[in-house]
Amino acid sequence: AAGVIQSPRHLIKEKRETATLKCYPIPRHDTVYWYQQGPGQDPQFLISFYEKMQSDKGSIPDRFSAQQFSDYHSELNMSSLELGDSALYFCASSYGVRFGGKTDTQYFGPGTRLTVL
Amino acid sequence: QKEVEQNSGPLSVPEGAIASLNCTYSDRGSQSFFWYRQYSGKSPELIMSIYSNGDKEDGRFTAQLNKASQYVSLLIRDSQPSDSATYLCAVMTGGFKTIFGAGTRLFVKA
Repeated sequence: AAGVIQSPRHLIKEKRETATLKCYPIPRHDTVYWYQQGPGQDPQFLISFYEKMQSDKGSIPDRFSAQQFSDYHSELNMSSLELGDSALYFCASSYGVRFGGKTDTQYFGPGTRLTVL
Repeated sequence: QKEVEQNSGPLSVPEGAIASLNCTYSDRGSQSFFWYRQYSGKSPELIMSIYSNGDKEDGRFTAQLNKASQYVSLLIRDSQPSDSATYLCAVMTGGFKTIFGAGTRLFVKA
């Protein structure tokens, strides 16, 4: 079965540079989520999109922005990178709402490991 | 107080034993609850989802949800060394915002 695809898998940037992470959801999934996971920490919810519209926002810095495109893929843009942005960035996808209003299960991609030097 | 709290662990059980993982959440309006397993450096993989009060069984795994007490648990029967991982409780509080607990590290000793 097709899974969530993330690219690149590894990214090394210098401080103050910009980075763009891409996510391709499972076919027919209409909802995308972005998470940041630092070493030894739980995934922190950044932002989600449902049917190409931003739906919820978590602890996403103002330096970061994201969008979901017409083909449902999503991009996370990160500017003015800081050392503390070094982390694993996961994208997940799901069907937004199914069966009596319950949100369906999120399936995670393999992640992008961002290192800021 | 964190919105989703889990036993910090680590939890160590012998092979073949039952592992019991607990999770409490603060938002009474939470609708959807998930248990994920995560190996070091890998992405979370779904173990169970549960939406209604009571038990839900899937193979060696049983999830229990009690909305009145605001807790979710996961039982792993016949624990195997391959079950050694971090188990994450995730709660959706409405909309698509998802809060994860800090995770419980489980060690299954052969």
